[in-house]
Amino acid sequence: LAKTTQPISMDSYEGQEVNITCSHNNIATNDYITWYQQFPSQGPRFIIQGYKTKVTNEVASLFIPADRKSSTLSLPRVSLSDTAVYYCLVDWDSSYKLIFGSGTRLLVRP
Amino acid sequence: DAGITQSPRHKVTETGTPVTLRCHQTENHRYMYWYRQDPGHGLRLIHYSYGVKDTDKGEVSDGYSVSRSKTEDFLLTLESATSSQTSVYFCAIAVGAGPTDTQYFGPGTRLTVL
Repeated sequence: LAKTTQPISMDSYEGQEVNITCSHNNIATNDYITWYQQFPSQGPRFIIQGYKTKVTNEVASLFIPADRKSSTLSLPRVSLSDTAVYYCLVDWDSSYKLIFGSGTRLLVRP
Repeated sequence: DAGITQSPRHKVTETGTPVTLRCHQTENHRYMYWYRQDPGHGLRLIHYSYGVKDTDKGEVSDGYSVSRSKTEDFLLTLESATSSQTSVYFCAIAVGAGPTDTQYFGPGTRLTVL
């Protein structure tokens, strides 16, 4: 199973762009890269998913280089409500199992 | 929230007692999951189901059993609860039928075993 490495924590200020990078050196050919967001006392919430290059939705962008050994979640103009733990996942097999790493705790300050 | 509910939301029990947690979905999705979340460990998969009566173990299945007699319900049972099973338990469903499909999580059950 591919392992992911993310920074344990990050600090930012309101209105700034935040980039969280995830390393996944052993990503398999069929693996997709998925990011989830979790607020305290809630279940994780899907943010974005991609396979290569760039994916953008109304919440975030996901940048994936050609070698796919890392990915970067980009949150434009964060607000206080973006304070949460962000998980990068790349483990995916035919059994549809998700293996969560430790995540990145993002703190957005006023 | 993809129509997922969990019950109970909070439970306190004593060591050695059986406990059953229920996950209910309203949209007839095939894949359902049970995770536990503990400080320092993130979320870990306990068991999952890929259909009625079809279940398999996750990475931390010891001490837990599951059952799925109906598409909409996935039950997690602790046969004899231990203090190490104090945790927050999340149920999830996979929406869709392909490898890119998203998992949606329920609100969680906070279990305390004294």
